Amino acid sequence: AQTVTQSQPEMSVQEAETVTLSCTYDTSENNYYLFWYKQPPSRQMILVIRQEAYKQQNATENRFSVNFQKAAKSFSLKISDSQLGDTAMYFCAFMKLGSGSGAGSYQLTFGKGTKLSVIP
Amino acid sequence: GAVVSQHPSWVICKSGTSVKIECRSLDFQATTMFWYRQFPKQSLMLMATSNEGSKATYEQGVEKDKFLINHASLTLSTLTVTSAHPEDSSFYICSALDGGLSDTQYFGPGTRLTVL
Repeated sequence: AQTVTQSQPEMSVQEAETVTLSCTYDTSENNYYLFWYKQPPSRQMILVIRQEAYKQQNATENRFSVNFQKAAKSFSLKISDSQLGDTAMYFCAFMKLGSGSGAGSYQLTFGKGTKLSVIP
Repeated sequence: GAVVSQHPSWVICKSGTSVKIECRSLDFQATTMFWYRQFPKQSLMLMATSNEGSKATYEQGVEKDKFLINHASLTLSTLTVTSAHPEDSSFYICSALDGGLSDTQYFGPGTRLTVL
């Protein structure tokens, strides 16, 4: 079974500053994806960024980037130029890949989340 | 792209009645959909995996007779909460797996269920 740990229950950052959210995971799988989702007060889960484990290059999406350290099983999210709209709960998630309908394949294992507040 | 709708967004019902929640992938086909439950200030808890044309797979501790799941087409899955009780009050979220392109789950906006 996989586990995902987010060690920072709450964080805050000044508008326009940079913040890094931590995530570590534990797995014996070799073929997987990692995700960051955000859940603003509306409670809509929104995909922020995705990383394929087989790719060494860190994923980036505009102001969002990750630091993926496969050997250390670490997957942190960096938000640059923080904006008020970034205020949300951020969930790190692990997805095991598999062929066909193998048990647990394509399911997401979530961390407990980090509540990020962007301060004007 | 990759939009998932969920209906209704909120529902209030009396104890003992049944409530159906629909989850639709609007711009992609989803052979697999997932249903989650989320308690306040907590993470998402997977309830079941819904596969088109086959029976849903329920997580341990989830009553399959209470939470009926039907994945009738490649774009629609439904969750029916049968004989609802106040303890079933919660926020229910569905997701659809875009297995064709990205192997990514995209989420619906959620349904807030209140059972009186």
